[in-house]
Amino acid sequence: DAGVIQSPRHEVTEMGQEVTLRCKPISGHNSLFWYRQTMMRGLELLIYFNNNVPIDDSGMPEDRFSAKMPNASFSTLKIQPSEPRDSAVYFCASSSQGAYGYTFGSGTRLTVV
Amino acid sequence: GESVGLHLPTLSVQEGDNSIINCAYSNSASDYFIWYKQESGKGPQFIIDIRSNMDKRQGQRVTVLLNKTVKHLSLQIAATQPGDSAVYFCAETQGAQKLVFGQGTRLTINP
Repeated sequence: DAGVIQSPRHEVTEMGQEVTLRCKPISGHNSLFWYRQTMMRGLELLIYFNNNVPIDDSGMPEDRFSAKMPNASFSTLKIQPSEPRDSAVYFCASSSQGAYGYTFGSGTRLTVV
Repeated sequence: GESVGLHLPTLSVQEGDNSIINCAYSNSASDYFIWYKQESGKGPQFIIDIRSNMDKRQGQRVTVLLNKTVKHLSLQIAATQPGDSAVYFCAETQGAQKLVFGQGTRLTINP
């Protein structure tokens, strides 16, 4: 199993640009989570999906952030427009529904200049 | 314990010694706790978990202890190795399937 796959690994973009982060969960896992990690705030849950349906998006910081899961094998997190304070490492994780033992991807390091 | 801000708590131990990493959790209603290990440039990796109806659980070289009275969780690593150097996070459940992570502790193994 290839694990949770995220792309790109690194993204550098200018303020105001649109950024799209991608995630492929582990096959058979039907829950998917997006986390953001910064030194100041640690690991924060942004949103999670069960069976492709968003369940809790209370962690999404503002309307500039949106996430979709069009099918069981793909999810995106979009930031439009991006701002320097969005710079962080964004992790995607997946699990079987009802299970807490998430498997994390390697993350996308986003730098907004 | 945990701290908030720019600097992670750091624990340095000699290779071969045992290490204990502590975590204070906030939600007395949490029924499940997990320890994760994060190496540089990687995502968090599941180490061991424990349910609230237990006070101890052992894995390979790791033991998790839970004290619900004082809302304290600890991870013990026996005979530490260089590969144990990482940041360790405790996580507690918050509602259905949500995990809330602590700030983490950086473990450094000295040769």
